[in-house]
Amino acid sequence: GQSLEQPSEVTAVEGAIVQINCTYQTSGFYGLSWYQQHDGGAPTFLSYNALDGLEETGRFSSFLSRSDSYGYLLLQELQMKDSASYFCAFNDYKLSFGAGTTVTVRA
Amino acid sequence: DGGITQSPKYLFRKEGQNVTLSCEQNLNHDAMYWYRQDPGQGLRLIYYSQIVNDFQKGDIAEGYSVSREKKESFPLTVTSAQKNPTAFYLCASSGRDRGDTEAFFGQGTRLTVV
Repeated sequence: GQSLEQPSEVTAVEGAIVQINCTYQTSGFYGLSWYQQHDGGAPTFLSYNALDGLEETGRFSSFLSRSDSYGYLLLQELQMKDSASYFCAFNDYKLSFGAGTTVTVRA
Repeated sequence: DGGITQSPKYLFRKEGQNVTLSCEQNLNHDAMYWYRQDPGQGLRLIYYSQIVNDFQKGDIAEGYSVSREKKESFPLTVTSAQKNPTAFYLCASSGRDRGDTEAFFGQGTRLTVV
């Protein structure tokens, strides 16, 4: 079957680095995406990895290892506004999401 | 401006009533999705459609129905058969190709049973 597993919550202080891991299982895999959702809002697309390696977008980076069925999202120089839920996702004709990781940034 | 619009933002339903949530997009996307989100939970797929006049059940389709008569529109009906409909409902659209994972979401409809 299909599944995505990620930790339920992470807490860190401003300026720190946080890594959110995601392991997945699917019969047809084309790439891993990450989304951010602030409380009560709509999810917004952050990044996409189709190939192994690291993709960097400003303070956020995403990594994929297809052989390990594993990826992560790296949040650097944490800011209070980064407090949100983060979801990994893949699209095998249906767009499926992990349960989400709640990141809490403390002053 | 291109985007995806859900209405209404808040909806109250009496027990035993059917209600329909609207979702419209002008992004020319083939694929559309409906998700349910409960407090502190992830996004659970209700229904999805890859093309007009075709749709598939997701993981929690019981008590819900959809139609896809136009590319731009994918309304969701929450029927009286859905025993616990109070939740936040999100509609999304994307390209149809496998791996096309940049989906755009509406602002959601918060449904409450009163």
